[in-house]
Amino acid sequence: DTEVTQTPKHLVMGMTNKKSLKCEQHMGHRAMYWYKQKAKKPPELMFVYSYEKLSINESVPSRFSPECPNSSLLNLHLHALQPEDSALYLCASSQEGRGTDTQYFGPGTRLTVL
Amino acid sequence: AQSVTQLDSQVPVFEEAPVELRCNYSSSVSVYLFWYVQYPNQGLQLLLKYLSGSTLVESINGFEAEFNKSQTSFHLRKPSVHISDTAEYFCAVSEVQGGSEKLVFGKGTKLTVNP
Repeated sequence: DTEVTQTPKHLVMGMTNKKSLKCEQHMGHRAMYWYKQKAKKPPELMFVYSYEKLSINESVPSRFSPECPNSSLLNLHLHALQPEDSALYLCASSQEGRGTDTQYFGPGTRLTVL
Repeated sequence: AQSVTQLDSQVPVFEEAPVELRCNYSSSVSVYLFWYVQYPNQGLQLLLKYLSGSTLVESINGFEAEFNKSQTSFHLRKPSVHISDTAEYFCAVSEVQGGSEKLVFGKGTKLTVNP
């Protein structure tokens, strides 16, 4: 099983809402990632978790709050977002987070902020 | 910091024609290079990667890429493309930050295969 699942597939929220994105993998991977992808752009790394600890935070605004409850799950909590935060949010995982590892991506959550 | 340059933002070709998608990276002592493909409305999938050893790497669906250290390039080629190869292709290099590894992506090349 080389699948990374993400829920929901689509999300529309207002600027005052609180919502969460979920990501799950059952490949035994110990590194998990959140990316933001705007239309016609490459993915931009937001956070990296390695062995359930936050190892990289790319200076993401605090209205995005990641959480890694266990080695299979990764959440992204959203609060007071802005319209410019509308994008495709991709989750990925890799075996150990090493430079040689392949990252496996989920299909993404398409977020629209009104 | 590592960087990746994909010179062509769009490449239109006809079905069964050969194609080359260009990628150049910033030099480093050692480098790990990747090509990922993103089909419409999907996440990214690994196409192939260069870690060490043979400079020519191949994917299962007919793509190949050659690591050229002197030219700091990792161009992707396919001798005969299919309609189904229409997708966005991203070249990426691995970079160490704060003891963790991360991918640095190029801006992507949109390959459109026309009948």
